[in-house]
Formats: sequence, structure tokens, C-alpha cells
Amino acid sequence: QKEVEQDPGPLSVPEGAIVSLNCTYSNSAFQYFMWYRQYSRKGPELLMYTYSSGNKEDGRFTAQVDKSSKYISLFIRDSQPSDSATYLCAMADRAGTASKLTFGTGTRLQVTL
Amino acid sequence: DSGVTQTPKHLITATGQRVTLRCSPRSGDLSVYWYQQSLDQGLQFLIQYYNGEERAKGNILERFSAQQFPDLHSELNLSSLELGDSALYFCASSVGRGGDLAKNIQYFGAGTRLSVL
Repeated sequence: QKEVEQDPGPLSVPEGAIVSLNCTYSNSAFQYFMWYRQYSRKGPELLMYTYSSGNKEDGRFTAQVDKSSKYISLFIRDSQPSDSATYLCAMADRAGTASKLTFGTGTRLQVTL
Repeated sequence: DSGVTQTPKHLITATGQRVTLRCSPRSGDLSVYWYQQSLDQGLQFLIQYYNGEERAKGNILERFSAQQFPDLHSELNLSSLELGDSALYFCASSVGRGGDLAKNIQYFGAGTRLSVL
């Protein structure tokens, strides 16, 4: 079993919909959580990062972490066609100089007109 | 543009060959990370260097090696290539100081696509 599980999709939604993307994990040492967005043939770009449990909002994006359930979510409000990409969750057990990231396999999102 | 530069963008080579992938980190970043992305495995951490020293190792094959030079650029060497090594190879960099997450956010390059025929 992988340390981080993520539904690969694809997930297709109409423009303006609220999108919910999720990851579950098994390693209770993870305490730093990130969401990356990856467009086709590009490198991952950081969307949001959070430490420990709770919510964080940035514009149309909200990240939630529930450490007791080992479950993290990314919500996208008012989704746009430009949000069409693969969304990767990533986690680390430390923030310092030896902080390798463990990624989910990514969820492919398609926002249609 | 993340500020992380990877060359070449594409590499096509044959089984048994050796290739070198190059990464220049963002200005001021001391840590460099290498990842492999394949369709079935997703992004897998390979190795990390901090200011020239190896700091963490993931599932990196013995046929693969890396180093970080005094100017902080890094190279990933892949030898005795097999068909299964075909993948996207990403480099990421971070400031890499202290325990502050903001200073350790990893910024990714555009990747090198390796095709082994």
C-alpha cells in the first residue's frame, strides 16, 4: 500500500463548479502538507502549503487537513477552464534540510465550458 | 517560471547507454532534489543535496548517481539504461535553511523527458 493515496480521476466538472480533491495517507509522522498543480508537459507548481491540522484559504482555493483522519482536501471554488490540470498532494515529516516530499499520484481535473 | 533550469528538455537514447541530466537551482537556493515521474508510479523522490552534501536518499537505483557542485548546480547520472528508466526527471530546489516550511518549499523545474529505446 502506498503511503499517500489519491484518486487519479479524471474528474470532469462544468465551469463554475466547486471541486473537491482529496488525499489519504498512512504515515502519522507527516505534518507538512502541500498541493501542487501540474499542467501537461510542465513541472509541478506549488499552490498551497499548510502545517498540521486546520484550514487555509487563498483566493478560490481552500486547503483542509484532518490529521486525526489522515485526510487532506483541496477545494476550488468557481472553477475555470484554466484550472484544468493534474493536482498533486505532497507531504513531508519535517521542514528542514532533509525534507523529501512524498506525493500522491495526482488527480487529473478537466473543467469544461 | 520557477527559476529552476533543467537541461536538456528531451533525451532519446538506447538501452545500456549513460546520460547526464543537469539542474541549476533558483538563485540563493542551497538544496537540490531529484524526482522521477512515471505514469504508473507518480512522482518518486530520488535524492537530495544541500550545499554540496548528500542529505537524503529515496528509492534511487545503484545505476543512478548525483552530485552537487560548488556553484550549486547538480547533475543526475543514469547509467546502463533500461527501457523502464524512461520517465520525466524533475529537479527541485529550496532555500533549505532551518525548520521554517516557508524556507523549504520546493520549486520544480520543467523536467527532462528521457526516452530509452
